[in-house]
Amino acid sequence: GQQLNQSPQSMFIQEGEDVSMNCTSSSIFNTWLWYKQDPGEGPVLLIALYKAGELTSNGRLTAQFGITRKDSFLNISASIPSDVGIYFCAGQLDFGGSNYKLTFGKGTLLTVNP
Amino acid sequence: DAGITQSPRHKVTETGTPVTLRCHQTENHRYMYWYRQDPGHGLRLIHYSYGVKDTDKGEVSDGYSVSRSKTEDFLLTLESATSSQTSVYFCAISEPLGPSYGYTFGSGTRLTVV
Repeated sequence: GQQLNQSPQSMFIQEGEDVSMNCTSSSIFNTWLWYKQDPGEGPVLLIALYKAGELTSNGRLTAQFGITRKDSFLNISASIPSDVGIYFCAGQLDFGGSNYKLTFGKGTLLTVNP
Repeated sequence: DAGITQSPRHKVTETGTPVTLRCHQTENHRYMYWYRQDPGHGLRLIHYSYGVKDTDKGEVSDGYSVSRSKTEDFLLTLESATSSQTSVYFCAISEPLGPSYGYTFGSGTRLTVV
């Protein structure tokens, strides 16, 4: 089956630092999504990417859909304490209306020290 | 807002007992999913549904069954709970997102099997 390798597994940073995490796949995807999970809650969508090479920002977050369609990265600039949580990448290969399953990475646990 | 409600939020049960978790949605989405989340494993798909009475297995379906008798409700049953099923369980729905689809998650059910 499809596998997503997400790295790093965890990060400990100081407030104000920039953060970068990425996902690579053995298969191509048509859509890449990035989710954040706060403690005790379900994952929430941060950014969606639909085209190879696409670069999308959402506030301090920037994500890119790799040219090969097998990778994506997420950057967080000027981190703040509320950025703490688990970040998941997810890839989707849409088979035209019948298969909406996402494949998830194992997550990056981010800790921000004030 | 997809209006997903999971119940209960927390449950402690004894080994060998059956347990049913409920996922309720208010917006008539066709696809629903059950995941479990464990440290080091990320989100793993247990079962999913693509319509009333239409369900299929995910990657970790052993020991679990599901039912969907109404569009709005997707039930996950642990037939005879074991300690290895102690986990956090998330329900998700698939909904249109730009040119593709994304998942919206419930808040999760923390299940402890003693």
